[in-house]
Amino acid sequence: GAGVSQSPRYKVAKRGQDVALRCDPISGHVSLFWYQQALGQGPEFLTYFQNEAQLDKSGLPSDRFFAERPEGSVSTLKIQRTQQEDSAVYLCASSFDRVDSPLHFGNGTRLTVT
Amino acid sequence: QKEVEQNSGPLSVPEGAIASLNCTYSDRGSQSFFWYRQYSGKSPELIMFIYSNGDKEDGRFTAQLNKASQYVSLLIRDSQPSDSATYLCAVKAGNEKLTFGTGTRLTIIP
Repeated sequence: GAGVSQSPRYKVAKRGQDVALRCDPISGHVSLFWYQQALGQGPEFLTYFQNEAQLDKSGLPSDRFFAERPEGSVSTLKIQRTQQEDSAVYLCASSFDRVDSPLHFGNGTRLTVT
Repeated sequence: QKEVEQNSGPLSVPEGAIASLNCTYSDRGSQSFFWYRQYSGKSPELIMFIYSNGDKEDGRFTAQLNKASQYVSLLIRDSQPSDSATYLCAVKAGNEKLTFGTGTRLTIIP
Protein backbone atom coordinates (compact mmCIF):
# COMPACT_ATOMS: atom_id res chain seq x y z
CA GLY A 1 0.00 0.00 0.00
CA ALA A 2 0.94 3.64 -0.28
CA GLY A 3 0.64 4.55 3.38
CA VAL A 4 1.81 3.40 6.80
CA SER A 5 -0.10 0.30 7.83
CA GLN A 6 -0.71 -0.67 11.45
CA SER A 7 -2.34 -3.74 12.93
CA PRO A 8 -4.42 -4.55 14.78
CA ARG A 9 -6.64 -1.51 14.57
CA TYR A 10 -8.07 -2.25 18.02
CA LYS A 11 -6.75 -4.42 20.82
CA VAL A 12 -8.34 -5.26 24.14
CA ALA A 13 -6.05 -6.89 26.66
CA LYS A 14 -6.58 -8.01 30.21
CA ARG A 15 -4.22 -6.52 32.74
CA GLY A 16 -1.05 -8.57 32.83
CA GLN A 17 -1.25 -9.83 29.25
CA ASP A 18 1.46 -9.20 26.69
CA VAL A 19 0.58 -7.44 23.42
CA ALA A 20 2.40 -6.92 20.12
CA LEU A 21 1.59 -4.07 17.76
CA ARG A 22 2.78 -4.11 14.17
CA CYS A 23 3.80 -1.30 11.85
CA ASP A 24 4.56 -1.52 8.12
CA PRO A 25 6.09 1.78 6.99
CA ILE A 26 6.01 3.46 3.61
CA SER A 27 8.42 1.74 1.24
CA GLY A 28 11.75 3.57 1.12
CA HIS A 29 11.28 5.39 4.40
CA VAL A 30 14.42 4.93 6.48
CA SER A 31 13.10 6.44 9.69
CA LEU A 32 10.36 4.88 11.80
CA PHE A 33 8.81 6.32 14.94
CA TRP A 34 6.43 5.08 17.60
CA TYR A 35 4.23 7.54 19.50
CA GLN A 36 1.68 7.11 22.26
CA GLN A 37 -1.38 9.33 22.29
CA ALA A 38 -3.65 9.56 25.30
CA LEU A 39 -7.13 11.00 24.95
CA GLY A 40 -7.06 14.77 24.55
CA GLN A 41 -3.28 14.92 24.35
CA GLY A 42 -0.74 15.30 21.59
CA PRO A 43 1.34 12.31 20.49
CA GLU A 44 4.19 11.52 22.89
CA PHE A 45 7.43 10.13 21.46
CA LEU A 46 8.34 6.57 22.43
CA THR A 47 11.17 5.40 20.18
CA TYR A 48 12.91 5.95 16.83
CA PHE A 49 14.61 3.67 14.32
CA GLN A 50 16.89 4.47 11.45
CA ASN A 51 16.77 1.32 9.35
CA GLU A 52 17.20 -1.50 11.87
CA ALA A 53 19.07 0.60 14.42
CA GLN A 54 17.12 1.88 17.39
CA LEU A 55 18.68 5.31 17.83
CA ASP A 56 16.47 6.72 20.54
CA LYS A 57 14.31 4.88 23.04
CA SER A 58 14.20 7.65 25.61
CA GLY A 59 10.41 7.89 25.48
CA LEU A 60 9.64 4.29 26.41
CA PRO A 61 7.83 4.62 29.76
CA SER A 62 9.18 1.45 31.36
CA ASP A 63 11.15 -1.70 30.69
CA ARG A 64 7.84 -3.40 29.89
CA PHE A 65 7.96 -1.63 26.53
CA PHE A 66 10.17 -3.04 23.81
CA ALA A 67 10.41 -2.23 20.11
CA GLU A 68 12.27 -3.84 17.26
CA ARG A 69 12.78 -3.46 13.53
CA PRO A 70 15.05 -6.39 12.69
CA GLU A 71 15.20 -6.03 8.90
CA GLY A 72 14.81 -2.30 8.68
CA SER A 73 11.23 -2.36 7.44
CA VAL A 74 8.38 -3.76 9.58
CA SER A 75 8.50 -2.83 13.26
CA THR A 76 6.85 -4.36 16.31
CA LEU A 77 6.10 -2.62 19.59
CA LYS A 78 5.69 -5.09 22.42
CA ILE A 79 4.21 -4.30 25.79
CA GLN A 80 4.66 -6.90 28.49
CA ARG A 81 2.41 -7.32 31.52
CA THR A 82 0.04 -4.59 30.36
CA GLN A 83 -1.33 -2.12 32.90
CA GLN A 84 -4.41 0.09 32.72
CA GLU A 85 -2.24 3.17 32.25
CA ASP A 86 -0.99 1.64 28.99
CA SER A 87 -4.42 2.23 27.44
CA ALA A 88 -3.89 4.69 24.59
CA VAL A 89 -3.59 4.95 20.83
CA TYR A 90 -0.20 3.81 19.58
CA LEU A 91 0.81 5.61 16.42
CA CYS A 92 3.54 4.56 14.03
CA ALA A 93 5.05 7.04 11.59
CA SER A 94 7.73 6.88 8.94
CA SER A 95 9.77 9.39 6.98
CA PHE A 96 12.82 9.88 4.84
CA ASP A 97 16.04 10.53 6.74
CA ARG A 98 16.08 14.29 6.18
CA VAL A 99 15.56 17.24 8.49
CA ASP A 100 12.84 18.59 6.19
CA SER A 101 11.00 15.30 5.86
CA PRO A 102 7.60 15.22 7.57
CA LEU A 103 6.29 12.18 9.39
CA HIS A 104 3.51 10.18 7.78
CA PHE A 105 1.30 8.44 10.29
CA GLY A 106 -0.55 5.17 10.23
CA ASN A 107 -4.11 4.85 11.51
CA GLY A 108 -2.90 3.73 14.91
CA THR A 109 -3.73 0.87 17.25
CA ARG A 110 -6.17 1.66 20.04
CA LEU A 111 -5.16 -0.42 23.05
CA THR A 112 -7.59 -0.87 25.90
CA VAL A 113 -6.38 -2.66 29.01
CA THR A 114 -9.18 -3.95 31.23
CA GLN B 1 7.68 24.12 30.75
CA LYS B 2 6.60 21.93 27.86
CA GLU B 3 8.82 21.96 24.80
CA VAL B 4 5.94 22.88 22.49
CA GLU B 5 3.04 24.90 23.83
CA GLN B 6 -0.37 25.46 22.31
CA ASN B 7 -3.60 26.86 23.65
CA SER B 8 -5.83 23.81 24.00
CA GLY B 9 -8.95 25.76 23.12
CA PRO B 10 -11.62 25.17 22.15
CA LEU B 11 -11.35 27.94 19.61
CA SER B 12 -14.64 28.82 17.93
CA VAL B 13 -14.63 30.71 14.63
CA PRO B 14 -17.58 31.64 12.38
CA GLU B 15 -17.71 30.04 8.97
CA GLY B 16 -15.91 32.19 6.41
CA ALA B 17 -13.72 33.95 8.98
CA ILE B 18 -9.98 33.55 9.58
CA ALA B 19 -8.87 31.03 12.21
CA SER B 20 -5.54 31.78 13.87
CA LEU B 21 -3.68 29.03 15.69
CA ASN B 22 -0.53 29.73 17.68
CA CYS B 23 2.40 27.70 18.97
CA THR B 24 5.59 28.47 20.88
CA TYR B 25 8.60 26.23 21.31
CA SER B 26 11.51 26.19 23.74
CA ASP B 27 14.36 24.54 21.79
CA ARG B 28 16.26 27.20 19.86
CA GLY B 29 17.88 24.40 17.85
CA SER B 30 14.56 23.51 16.24
CA GLN B 31 14.86 23.59 12.48
CA SER B 32 11.62 22.31 11.03
CA PHE B 33 8.05 23.14 11.98
CA PHE B 34 4.93 21.23 11.07
CA TRP B 35 1.19 21.62 11.40
CA TYR B 36 -0.94 18.48 11.54
CA ARG B 37 -4.72 18.21 11.55
CA GLN B 38 -6.36 15.43 13.53
CA TYR B 39 -10.02 14.56 13.29
CA SER B 40 -11.56 12.77 16.23
CA GLY B 41 -10.62 9.09 16.19
CA LYS B 42 -8.24 9.53 13.26
CA SER B 43 -4.48 9.81 12.94
CA PRO B 44 -2.68 13.13 12.39
CA GLU B 45 -2.40 14.28 8.79
CA LEU B 46 0.15 16.80 7.58
CA ILE B 47 -1.16 20.21 6.53
CA MET B 48 1.94 22.34 6.19
CA PHE B 49 5.60 22.57 7.05
CA ILE B 50 7.92 25.56 7.24
CA TYR B 51 11.65 25.97 7.78
CA SER B 52 12.44 29.62 7.07
CA ASN B 53 11.36 32.77 8.83
CA GLY B 54 8.36 34.44 7.26
CA ASP B 55 5.16 33.22 5.68
CA LYS B 56 4.37 30.17 3.59
CA GLU B 57 1.03 29.94 1.84
CA ASP B 58 -0.76 26.87 0.51
CA GLY B 59 -4.33 27.41 -0.60
CA ARG B 60 -6.39 28.62 2.36
CA PHE B 61 -3.56 27.88 4.79
CA THR B 62 -0.67 30.16 5.76
CA ALA B 63 2.10 29.14 8.14
CA GLN B 64 4.14 31.87 9.81
CA LEU B 65 7.49 31.35 11.52
CA ASN B 66 9.46 33.72 13.74
CA LYS B 67 12.56 31.96 15.04
CA ALA B 68 13.70 34.94 17.11
CA SER B 69 10.45 34.82 19.07
CA GLN B 70 10.29 30.99 18.88
CA TYR B 71 6.79 31.27 17.54
CA VAL B 72 4.93 29.54 14.73
CA SER B 73 1.34 30.06 13.69
CA LEU B 74 -1.23 28.72 11.25
CA LEU B 75 -3.88 30.87 9.62
CA ILE B 76 -6.90 29.30 7.95
CA ARG B 77 -8.76 31.67 5.64
CA ASP B 78 -12.42 31.27 4.65
CA SER B 79 -12.92 28.70 7.42
CA GLN B 80 -15.22 25.80 6.58
CA PRO B 81 -17.08 23.41 8.90
CA SER B 82 -14.80 20.65 7.59
CA ASP B 83 -11.86 22.51 9.16
CA SER B 84 -13.24 21.63 12.61
CA ALA B 85 -10.55 19.40 14.13
CA THR B 86 -7.62 19.44 16.52
CA TYR B 87 -4.52 21.14 15.12
CA LEU B 88 -1.18 19.86 16.32
CA CYS B 89 1.99 21.92 16.16
CA ALA B 90 5.21 19.88 15.93
CA VAL B 91 8.89 20.84 15.83
CA LYS B 92 11.99 18.94 14.84
CA ALA B 93 15.64 19.56 15.68
CA GLY B 94 17.84 17.76 13.20
CA ASN B 95 16.50 14.68 11.45
CA GLU B 96 15.16 13.06 14.54
CA LYS B 97 11.88 12.95 16.40
CA LEU B 98 9.00 15.35 16.09
CA THR B 99 7.92 16.91 19.37
CA PHE B 100 4.22 17.72 19.47
CA GLY B 101 2.14 20.20 21.38
CA THR B 102 -1.09 19.12 23.02
CA GLY B 103 -3.13 20.52 20.14
CA THR B 104 -5.75 23.23 19.73
CA ARG B 105 -9.33 22.14 19.19
CA LEU B 106 -10.94 24.29 16.49
CA THR B 107 -14.67 24.50 15.89
CA ILE B 108 -16.07 26.32 12.85
CA ILE B 109 -19.57 27.57 13.51
CA PRO B 110 -21.91 27.49 10.46
